Amino acid sequence: KAGVTQTPRYLIKTRGQQVTLSCSPISGHRSVSWYQQTPGQGLQFLFEYFSETQRNKGNFPGRFSGRQFSNSRSEMNVSTLELGDSALYLCASSPGGAGRNEQFFGPGTRLTVL
Amino acid sequence: AQKITQTQPGMFVQEKEAVTLDCTYDTSDQSYGLFWYKQPSSGEMIFLIYQGSYDEQNATEGRYSLNFQKARKSANLVISASQLGDSAMYFCAMREPSTGGGNKLTFGTGTQLKVEL
Repeated sequence: KAGVTQTPRYLIKTRGQQVTLSCSPISGHRSVSWYQQTPGQGLQFLFEYFSETQRNKGNFPGRFSGRQFSNSRSEMNVSTLELGDSALYLCASSPGGAGRNEQFFGPGTRLTVL
Repeated sequence: AQKITQTQPGMFVQEKEAVTLDCTYDTSDQSYGLFWYKQPSSGEMIFLIYQGSYDEQNATEGRYSLNFQKARKSANLVISASQLGDSAMYFCAMREPSTGGGNKLTFGTGTQLKVEL
């Protein structure tokens, strides 16, 4: 099975712009979660989508949004970029059911805001 | 609120030796899951091992085992026979139960492991 893929891998934007990141989960997985990783704050949960619905949400401002399509692919959008949004954004997929349900992560998108 | 504590920012171990990475957690929930992930310098998070709060036996996955002490709220990762390729950042994480089910993970700050010859 192919793993989780994320595009693009690297991105450079300027303050005030917006950006869209894409994630394709492992085939058959219905849950996609997004995390932000920074040196200062560590790994922080952004949100989770399951069957096209947001199931969980972290403590991030409304500038961060996401969606999931019927094929389970997910996108996250960050509007009005700030310097502090520079981070590694990781997407993770899982089957979505109960029990162990471990998450498998993609390689990440490294976003730099100038 | 849930919290994961990893008190070892960095660890060194000689090749072929065993090493224990510490993790303590704080939760008032009875049902939870504990995970360990490895993050090499490439950035990708690699799942290593899982322990459910109701699992009576410690989890093992190859060279990885989880020393789960529920009363002490600790979930230490033990890597046996360390290899050079084990050099990476290791994260302990806990899954928070939610009314809708789901997969929100809370991560610790990580332990940077360096395996030496």
